[in-house]
Amino acid sequence: GAVVSQHPSRVICKSGTSVKIECRSLDFQATTMFWYRQFPKQSLMLMATSNEGSKATYEQGVEKDKFLINHASLTLSTLTVTSAHPEDSSFYICSARKNLLSDEQYFGPGTRLTVT
Amino acid sequence: LAKTTQPISMDSYEGQEVNITCSHNNIATNDYITWYQQFPSQGPRFIIQGYKTKVTNEVASLFIPADRKSSTLSLPRVSLSDTAVYYCLVGDRGGGDYKLSFGAGTTVTVRA
Repeated sequence: GAVVSQHPSRVICKSGTSVKIECRSLDFQATTMFWYRQFPKQSLMLMATSNEGSKATYEQGVEKDKFLINHASLTLSTLTVTSAHPEDSSFYICSARKNLLSDEQYFGPGTRLTVT
Repeated sequence: LAKTTQPISMDSYEGQEVNITCSHNNIATNDYITWYQQFPSQGPRFIIQGYKTKVTNEVASLFIPADRKSSTLSLPRVSLSDTAVYYCLVGDRGGGDYKLSFGAGTTVTVRA
């Protein structure tokens, strides 16, 4: 149990376009999902915390108007990178929190975004 | 917000035990210690979680001293497939949500 999927696994888009990444918890309900970004050879950086039915909480330095997060159901959160630029090229990873009593998170396989 | 300190890299050979120590001097009373493993271009995978003393599962053991200011992940009899980055994290209960802050991680390289 506790499987998280992401779609697409990799995407290439042109500069100025928008890209949507989906994160789904397949076999459990996740009241909280998290979005991370990881550049090559670097650690994961938390971008935002997404709670079902409410606005996402963004980390300092992350533009909420550029990275739109929607958590419409207990099994789906989406991240939309708007007006993408080459510097947005990165590995985007989501995670879902299963147990409210602990901070254990289950991570998706990641989405490789390349902006040309 | 770096809350943990761990070695940047460790080398080992197949069949050996690998111990990675993580320092978390400012760990809070309610924080749990969690270790994740990450292979290139994949999401992190949960290894083990603990609060105090010792926790063991089918893949690793986690040793936590009484003061909880550090923890040691022990990987018994590693194989080549254990080559990965290992992250030590403590729960960050900011704003009511448990947020995980990833440090630099430890790159473990297992050689034949």
